[in-house]
Amino acid sequence: DQQVKQNSPSLSVQEGRISILNCDYTNSMFDYFLWYKKYPAEGPTFLISISSIKDKNEDGRFTVFLNKSAKHLSLHIVPSQPGDSAVYFCAASTYNNDMRFGAGTRLTVKP
Amino acid sequence: DTGVSQDPRHKITKRGQNVTFRCDPISEHNRLYWYRQTLGQGPEFLTYFQNEAQLEKSRLLSDRFSAERPKGSFSTLEIQRTEQGDSAMYLCASSFNSLSNSPLHFGNGTRLTVT
Repeated sequence: DQQVKQNSPSLSVQEGRISILNCDYTNSMFDYFLWYKKYPAEGPTFLISISSIKDKNEDGRFTVFLNKSAKHLSLHIVPSQPGDSAVYFCAASTYNNDMRFGAGTRLTVKP
Repeated sequence: DTGVSQDPRHKITKRGQNVTFRCDPISEHNRLYWYRQTLGQGPEFLTYFQNEAQLEKSRLLSDRFSAERPKGSFSTLEIQRTEQGDSAMYLCASSFNSLSNSPLHFGNGTRLTVT
């Protein structure tokens, strides 16, 4: 059951521009949403999260937006840097921290 | 902070053999998770423990799979009678359970290849 969906398998942006990664979910019981970043041969690394009581959370160049009515969240990276090139996973969990992941979006930031 | 440690990093085995993987979580974390990741997919939930209790198992976890966390510290995942479809990256993660949600911290995984 694909409860978390990332419909764009890849995204390419120019250095300095904004990267926008999107994610949709179906389970209305999810109340905690996260983005993970993954480099080859490494496990996913936590990037940023947002609780369902908020609609925006910002951490430096990274901002996550949550639209509960649309069951949609997005990650904005601005300005994008070549070191941001990685696979980004969207994840969501319920109150018991049972976490589900999307299939990932490969971001390439071109110098 | 030593992070989540998984051993081995790579395992190649012949179909029908049994394999066992180990995960050492971050020491103060009481929750431990196993996920499986195949090419082009995100991590798929297999099972998780709170301390030594196994609280949930996915339908993906067939009867050939068993996980233990005997003392609430490290965990093992065993696959019996491996099949080629078991080839994947097996990821372990841990977190500290509290009243609020907390992110999972992942290890670098064990890549299993069944020939």
